[in-house]
Formats: sequence, C-alpha cells, structure tokens
Amino acid sequence: DAGVIQSPRHEVTEMGQEVTLRCKPISGHNSLFWYRQTMMRGLELLIYFNNNVPIDDSGMPEDRFSAKMPNASFSTLKIQPSEPRDSAVYFCASSQNQPQHFGDGTRLSIL
Amino acid sequence: SQQGEEDPQALSIQEGENATMNCSYKTSINNLQWYRQNSGRGLVHLILIRSNEREKHSGRLRVTLDTSKKSSSLLITASRAADTASYFCATGPPGYSGGGADGLTFGKGTHLIIQP
Repeated sequence: DAGVIQSPRHEVTEMGQEVTLRCKPISGHNSLFWYRQTMMRGLELLIYFNNNVPIDDSGMPEDRFSAKMPNASFSTLKIQPSEPRDSAVYFCASSQNQPQHFGDGTRLSIL
Repeated sequence: SQQGEEDPQALSIQEGENATMNCSYKTSINNLQWYRQNSGRGLVHLILIRSNEREKHSGRLRVTLDTSKKSSSLLITASRAADTASYFCATGPPGYSGGGADGLTFGKGTHLIIQP
C-alpha cells in the first residue's frame, strides 16, 4: 500500500519567495497533520484536519503560514513570504482510528 | 512546550545488548506512543500503551508506563545494527483515545547507535 506521499522532497529557495508543500494522505484516512522538525525545537504540530476541516491551527507560527485541504486526498502548506528561520523538515501524517503514519518529509532551506 | 522529554539524548551500545530509553511527561494522558525515525525518513509508529496499562510487549520491544511518576520506558532487547535510529515518545491531549483525531506532542528524542 502507498504511504503518505509528500512533495517535493527537497526545496531550496530565496527568502521572500512563496513556498508550497504538498501532501497526499493514505486513502481512507480522515485525519491529516502537518509537523515541523528542527534541531532546536524538535517536532512541532502546526495544524491538523479532520474530515478536511481544520481543527487546531494554534501551532502555525505566523500569518505567513497557511494550510488547506480541499479534498480527502490532498493538502498543502504554504509559506508566503518565506524567511530563513522557516528552514526545517516539514512532515505530513495521516490516520484513521490508528496511530499516525508519516511521510518522509520535505527538507526546506530558505537562503 | 514539549510534553515528553526523552532521556538519554544519545545512547551508544554494542550489538546484542539491551537499550533502555526513558520518557517523562507533564500532563494527564490517555495513552503514550513510541515512534522511531531513521535518518532522512519519517516517523514510524512502534507501540501504544494506554493509561490503564503498566507494561506492553511487541517483539523485541517492551514498554512500561508509570502514570504516578508520569514516565515511560522503552526497552529494546538483543539490539541490532538496524535499530540505529532516533526514538520519540508522544502524547495526545487528555481524552485522546489514539484514534488519530488529535495532534501529538513529541519529545526531542533519544538517538540510539548500535555498534556492530
């Protein structure tokens, strides 16, 4: 079975640019989560959706961050404008009455 | 703030030895989970222990939970080189049933190195 699919795997861009990260959850899962991982802060929950509806976005660091889930098979996390401190690995995870299943992440570098 | 804090931050042992990692948390929980992360990969769920359980086994893994001390331990027996990874404990908010409907709070992990 296909796991959670994230794209791109790596992204390098200059500060001020818009960045869009994409996630395809496991089919049939009704919860989707976005996390960010850095050496300093570890793994942080940014936002999560249940049945495509955002439930808790209190972890989103600033208004520069936004996330959408237009349907059950796709979600995006957008940063506009990007800043060097946004550099991190961003993970998407999904679940359906089971523990969370993670994608392999997007490694984002903002120069 | 981090709910779970793993101890030690790093652990290096010889293949075949047992590895023990500890996790402490701050608030009431419904369950506690352990995840593994290999370098450059996403987290993989290992085991979930509910607040009314004291010990749980899965293959070479043994997890204990002491709710009075707000702590958990993960024991990996007969370690293998393939066990080299970072290990994280994670908790959901009170009332979280493990059904996946709430986000998790992770500790910063224990980096385990198994030397051949």
